[in-house]
Amino acid sequence: GNSVTQMEGPVTLSEEAFLTINCTYTATGYPSLFWYVQYPGEGLQLLLKATKADDKGSNKGFEATYRKETTSFHLEKGSVQVSDSAVYFCALSSNAGGTSYGKLTFGQGTILTVHP
Amino acid sequence: DVKVTQSSRYLVKRTGEKVFLECVQDMDHENMFWYRQDPGLGLRLIYFSYDVKMKEKGDIPEGYSVSREKKERFSLILESASTNQTSMYLCASSPIQEMSEAFFGQGTRLTVV
Repeated sequence: GNSVTQMEGPVTLSEEAFLTINCTYTATGYPSLFWYVQYPGEGLQLLLKATKADDKGSNKGFEATYRKETTSFHLEKGSVQVSDSAVYFCALSSNAGGTSYGKLTFGQGTILTVHP
Repeated sequence: DVKVTQSSRYLVKRTGEKVFLECVQDMDHENMFWYRQDPGLGLRLIYFSYDVKMKEKGDIPEGYSVSREKKERFSLILESASTNQTSMYLCASSPIQEMSEAFFGQGTRLTVV
């Protein structure tokens, strides 16, 4: 079956530091990959996505590249802000063998705290 | 602004009670989902629906059922609440197109005592 593994958290950084959150996956077929973010007290919202190998998703200064050879989709940001403090989830959707119906398989989530 | 609305932010229920969690979306999406969020486990799919009156089990359906009588509304039912169902429950919806973005509600924090 499908699975997503994220780096262990929590992650604590100072403002303007470089961020990497690792994500690797196991899936049949050719999945689409997503990063969702959950700010305190809110539901999840899409941060970025990539639908095929070598695609780069980007949004709000965050980037992630779909690496099929290493089955990875690591999240990066060059300079984090206090407002980036949130929980980040890597996820995949795969339609191997039929329709996915939009089902998502999530990683365990990584808590990011950014200090001024 | 697109919206997925869950009827309660916080609920406290007693063991053995029947519990209803309601979710409404205003985007005319075909797909709707119920996930459970627990620390260290991420989100796990309980049930999903791809059309009115259609439902499919997710990864952890035991102890839950669902109802979708109208396209915009998807209800999660705990037939007899137990303490191990204390969790955050998140509803989501997405359009029929494959690999589309899912939109999430704010979540319901359920405590079973």
